[in-house]
Amino acid sequence: DGGITQSPKYLFRKEGQNVTLSCEQNLNHDAMYWYRQDPGQGLRLIYYSQIVNDFQKGDIAEGYSVSREKKESFPLTVTSAQKNPTAFYLCASTPFSGRAGYNEQFFGPGTRLTVL
Amino acid sequence: AQKVTQAQTEISVVEKEDVTLDCVYETRDTTYYLFWYKQPPSGELVFLIRRNSFDEQNEISGRYSWNFQKSTSSFNFTITASQVVDSAVYFCALSEAGGGATNKLIFGTGTLLAVQP
Repeated sequence: DGGITQSPKYLFRKEGQNVTLSCEQNLNHDAMYWYRQDPGQGLRLIYYSQIVNDFQKGDIAEGYSVSREKKESFPLTVTSAQKNPTAFYLCASTPFSGRAGYNEQFFGPGTRLTVL
Repeated sequence: AQKVTQAQTEISVVEKEDVTLDCVYETRDTTYYLFWYKQPPSGELVFLIRRNSFDEQNEISGRYSWNFQKSTSSFNFTITASQVVDSAVYFCALSEAGGGATNKLIFGTGTLLAVQP
């Protein structure tokens, strides 16, 4: 079955530690995205990548880093510089088509990160 | 600047009632797409519908219907005869379709719908 997997589902981190969230897709999609969801704030874009070895900052990139070494993988590292990392993190992907903005994004099940 | 506003934070209805979720958007683009997603308690967002800026026809899919009005920049979502399984957070989103568009989505803050049995 094609889809997006995120692991782990729940993650606990001590303050001052870096932690990496995994996102893998087997949909052969070109673009991948990371969102952060906080209660009452909807989804906010952290980073996105439209092609391998290239990525751009979203609206709230400070304290996060990403890599895109393979088309199917887009891991997110939450660094100790992120002041308030406790949140629900969602990964998404979308194919490119001839119409920019047309394709819906497909989402993974999310990772809930809690800083202790 | 692009923006999506979902003014209803939470709505509670009793099963079989009809309910409308409001979405108002702002964009300077003449070509754009609007989306609705459902987020059940499991957390994964599920795509419901896409509408492009040149198509103002209303759409109906089973108990779901969508009303797109460009004149008021609104894209409202109605669930007829609601069911407990409709309980979820619903997000409205906007994407650019002009030159240089990146397929980024701008999300509203979501509306939590609780359907009571």
